[in-house]
Amino acid sequence: DAKTTQPNSMESNEEEPVHLPCNHSTISGTDYIHWYRQLPSQGPEYVIHGLTSNVNNRMASLAIAEDRKSSTLILHRATLRDAAVYYCILRDPGGSQGNLIFGKGTKLSVKP
Amino acid sequence: ETGVTQSPTHLIKTRGQQVTLRCSSQSGHNTVSWYQQALGQGPQFIFQYYREEENGRGNFPPRFSGLQFPNYSSELNVNALELDDSALYLCACCWGVGGGEAFFGQGTRLTVV
Repeated sequence: DAKTTQPNSMESNEEEPVHLPCNHSTISGTDYIHWYRQLPSQGPEYVIHGLTSNVNNRMASLAIAEDRKSSTLILHRATLRDAAVYYCILRDPGGSQGNLIFGKGTKLSVKP
Repeated sequence: ETGVTQSPTHLIKTRGQQVTLRCSSQSGHNTVSWYQQALGQGPQFIFQYYREEENGRGNFPPRFSGLQFPNYSSELNVNALELDDSALYLCACCWGVGGGEAFFGQGTRLTVV
């Protein structure tokens, strides 16, 4: 199974940008890179996903390295509500659509 | 709307008992997945149902089983509960293009004593 590596934790100040890194050196050509986040006492929430090109949506931006072996989730202005565990996931190419392989993720703390 | 609802939110069972957890979505999507999340860990894939049939399973024993109904609601059944089954159980549905934007429920917190 394709795997990802993320820092265990990161800290940010409120209203500053946050760059959450993810390494996925064994990514295959058809793997999509997904990001989910999980707030305390809630289920995971979809953030963004992409294949090759950088992606933007109302929540965040996803920057994908040219060789696709790493990516960065960018929160442009962190708020206290962004404090959560962020998961970088490669969709299992051989499995069903539902088979997201979660790691331990990065716990983001946001200081006021 | 693709709101995913799980019930109950919490329950406590005794080792050896059986438990049934439920999941429904407003959109009535035909694919549902179940995950187990131990404390401090990421969710682990249990299995997926598509059009009422299991079509993918993670590394979980047969005492974890499921059902999907014609109205696309779903159940997760766990027999012969063990202490290590204590976890948050999540269901997810409604996959978008490229497998993105799955919607997860709030989860059921199961404690086995």
